[in-house]
Amino acid sequence: DQQVKQNSPSLSVQEGRISILNCDYTNSMFDYFLWYKKYPAEGPTFLISISSIKDKNEDGRFTVFLNKSAKHLSLHIVPSQPGDSAVYFCAASRTGNQFYFGTGTSLTVIP
Amino acid sequence: DTGVSQNPRHKITKRGQNVTFRCDPISEHNRLYWYRQTLGQGPEFLTYFQNEAQLEKSRLLSDRFSAERPKGSFSTLEIQRTEQGDSAMYLCASSPYASQGHYGYTFGSGTRLTVV
Repeated sequence: DQQVKQNSPSLSVQEGRISILNCDYTNSMFDYFLWYKKYPAEGPTFLISISSIKDKNEDGRFTVFLNKSAKHLSLHIVPSQPGDSAVYFCAASRTGNQFYFGTGTSLTVIP
Repeated sequence: DTGVSQNPRHKITKRGQNVTFRCDPISEHNRLYWYRQTLGQGPEFLTYFQNEAQLEKSRLLSDRFSAERPKGSFSTLEIQRTEQGDSAMYLCASSPYASQGHYGYTFGSGTRLTVV
């Protein structure tokens, strides 16, 4: 049972434009949400987090939006850079310990 | 120590053999997690430790799997009588207690297991 879903397996964006990666979850008890970036042959790297008491969190070029009523999470990258090309995973947790990950979205930023 | 270290990076084993992986977390992190990732999927939670105590285990962690963190520092994950379905990337991560998920884990580069 996939509790966290990333329905877009891939996304291509021109350098300098906005990248929007989406994530949906099914469990309304989830309180903690994370985004990770993963390069080939490396472990996932933490990007940004948000808890359910907020609807937006910003860190430099990365902004995460949380819509609790829709059970929807999105990551905005502005401006997109070629080095952002990677697989992005969203993850959600009720306790902050056991996280459920989506299947990932492969982002390609075209120079 | 600047990151989470996992050894070996790759392991090929014959079906039925036992394998053991090691994880050295970031030294000041007292929480340690094991995840498994198969092709085309996101990481799946296996278990986590706070110091030496194993606090949570997934249903994915069958009787053939055992994890330890004897002194609250490094951890080992052993798989007994390996099966081809065990082939995956095994990821270790660590975090400080206070983060409670707000700041995310730091993952290691993983151990890729291939069972032939």
